[in-house]
Amino acid sequence: GESVGLHLPTLSVQEGDNSIINCAYSNSASDYFIWYKQESGKGPQFIIDIRSNMDKRQGQRVTVLLNKTVKHLSLQIAATQPGDSAVYFCAEMARGVRGGGADGLTFGKGTHLIIQP
Amino acid sequence: DTEVTQTPKHLVMGMTNKKSLKCEQHMGHRAMYWYKQKAKKPPELMFVYSYEKLSINESVPSRFSPECPNSSLLNLHLHALQPEDSALYLCASSQGRGDKNIQYFGAGTRLSVL
Repeated sequence: GESVGLHLPTLSVQEGDNSIINCAYSNSASDYFIWYKQESGKGPQFIIDIRSNMDKRQGQRVTVLLNKTVKHLSLQIAATQPGDSAVYFCAEMARGVRGGGADGLTFGKGTHLIIQP
Repeated sequence: DTEVTQTPKHLVMGMTNKKSLKCEQHMGHRAMYWYKQKAKKPPELMFVYSYEKLSINESVPSRFSPECPNSSLLNLHLHALQPEDSALYLCASSQGRGDKNIQYFGAGTRLSVL
């Protein structure tokens, strides 16, 4: 079936460097995407979202890029800090397809970001 | 405030027990969700409630029974579970309408079925 997936299960970066986490999706009906951060023992924490009518969105130290042509999503974290260590999930939704205005998210496999001192 | 509160944090139950997981939000959200997350896996959708009505059931076995008593509360009743049901159960809520539908998650209930 259609799903959201990630290219790398683990990403190791030096503290202070920029991190780029990638995500591929295959549901062409998906029109809303969210990045979540999940630390050990906690629930997923919202980082940033983007709608399909946008190519780029910036937050505080994070940028999400969406390439609909190749169905690719990326999360860029600037100046990575030790507190950024976590598993990062992309999630997608095809809004309005079912459930009215509310539908569940389909999550990718996740990337474990490790920060090296 | 984007807090979703789940209780209990941990639960151990036998296969013949009946227990309930609880979830609460006070953000005025009208959509609430249950997800199941196995170790080192992504969350998987179980149920969606929209305006207190069950709108999506992802073919979840009947030993899991959701309930939405009001717009702020969501329960998951458990009965005759199997060891493979051991997982982290996550509750989330969202506005349920509009252009964006950010889902905010609780910390989860870690369930062990013996």
